[in-house]
Amino acid sequence: DTEVTQTPKHLVMGMTNKKSLKCEQHMGHRAMYWYKQKAKKPPELMFVYSYEKLSINESVPSRFSPECPNSSLLNLHLHALQPEDSALYLCASSPETGYSNQPQHFGDGTRLSIL
Amino acid sequence: SQQGEEDPQALSIQEGENATMNCSYKTSINNLQWYRQNSGRGLVHLILIRSNEREKHSGRLRVTLDTSKKSSSLLITASRAADTASYFCAPAYSSASKIIFGSGTRLSIRP
Repeated sequence: DTEVTQTPKHLVMGMTNKKSLKCEQHMGHRAMYWYKQKAKKPPELMFVYSYEKLSINESVPSRFSPECPNSSLLNLHLHALQPEDSALYLCASSPETGYSNQPQHFGDGTRLSIL
Repeated sequence: SQQGEEDPQALSIQEGENATMNCSYKTSINNLQWYRQNSGRGLVHLILIRSNEREKHSGRLRVTLDTSKKSSSLLITASRAADTASYFCAPAYSSASKIIFGSGTRLSIRP
């Protein structure tokens, strides 16, 4: 069992739908991340939150909108996605800022399919 | 791109044999991390080796780092079926406040 919980596990949506991905951790970690992973490729960083504030946005299209309501929760709001956005979306957390110096703990991801 | 390169891209070995994966990176690093990903699952952190370390062990895992060659290797000894997974290196570049995952090695253990 992972300590980072992501819901839903699978999501199928049309290009005009609005949906949200959720991520929760109760390890007291203060940095949280969203990654996108295409099949047989490495994860690609999308966003980093540090102490509930957005600190890194890797030039992600505005149809992806992250939100960090509190230190345990991370959301990714989706709107007007394209078929190429179909991927595995992974959430991760790490204890503190200084993101590159600490191990990251990953959830099992949400498998997103855009029709 | 600062993405590390791993070789081989795929590796198939007999159970009980050792598996070695290599990672090369571009510029100076603070540390280098290795992760495992089982099919359909998230990544699991295996080992973090700092730039001033040359070798690190964790159970059946041995990681080496050669900063002069900008390369690292992951050795899994006495492989088991459960080791079947993709393995990613993740250099933490000194110039960036994030890790960047390498291209990955897909390891298959034959019974």
